[in-house]
Amino acid sequence: DAKTTQPPSMDCAEGRAANLPCNHSTISGNEYVYWYRQIHSQGPQYIIHGLKNNETNEMASLIITEDRKSSTLILPHATLRDTAVYYCIVRIDYKLSFGAGTTVTVRA
Amino acid sequence: EAQVTQNPRYLITVTGKKLTVTCSQNMNHEYMSWYRQDPGLGLRQIYYSMNVEVTDKGDVPEGYKVSRKEKRNFPLILESPSPNQTSLYFCASSLQRSRQETQYFGPGTRLLVL
Repeated sequence: DAKTTQPPSMDCAEGRAANLPCNHSTISGNEYVYWYRQIHSQGPQYIIHGLKNNETNEMASLIITEDRKSSTLILPHATLRDTAVYYCIVRIDYKLSFGAGTTVTVRA
Repeated sequence: EAQVTQNPRYLITVTGKKLTVTCSQNMNHEYMSWYRQDPGLGLRQIYYSMNVEVTDKGDVPEGYKVSRKEKRNFPLILESPSPNQTSLYFCASSLQRSRQETQYFGPGTRLLVL
């Protein structure tokens, strides 16, 4: 699996959009970009995934650059409950390879 | 409610005393997997199963066994636990229609081996 690079931490104000970057410069053509999050040692929770096109669901939006070397997860209106570690994963097979992720702290 | 359950959620044991952590899912998923999570090392896959009676090693299988006799259950067995198996364990499952199926994780089992 391609490796990803994420900032170790970031803060976000409650009610504002949180933009989480991820670099995956060695991604291959058939690898998907996945985002999971983990709230305080609970089981990781699926957020969203995409291949080439931008994706949106009820939780977040995923913006993938045209060259697919990077992506951004957008939480449109962050709440205190969004405080978590966010993992960006590129995946071709069943196994999910988790890196260190980004610790996102949403502040009131 | 669709879910992955693990039992026990917390366990303290001593070196060498065999233990089993159970994992069950009610979503009729073919694929199931075990991960361990350690500080600074992230989540690492221990074993996985593509279907009943089909299991394979992940990245860190040493010291663990699994079985898949029924579709819904995928127990993790530590025949002779050692302190370096103290960790947070997660079970996950997904459909097997494609490799891109979403994986659902259980709540975790925190194990301490003395």
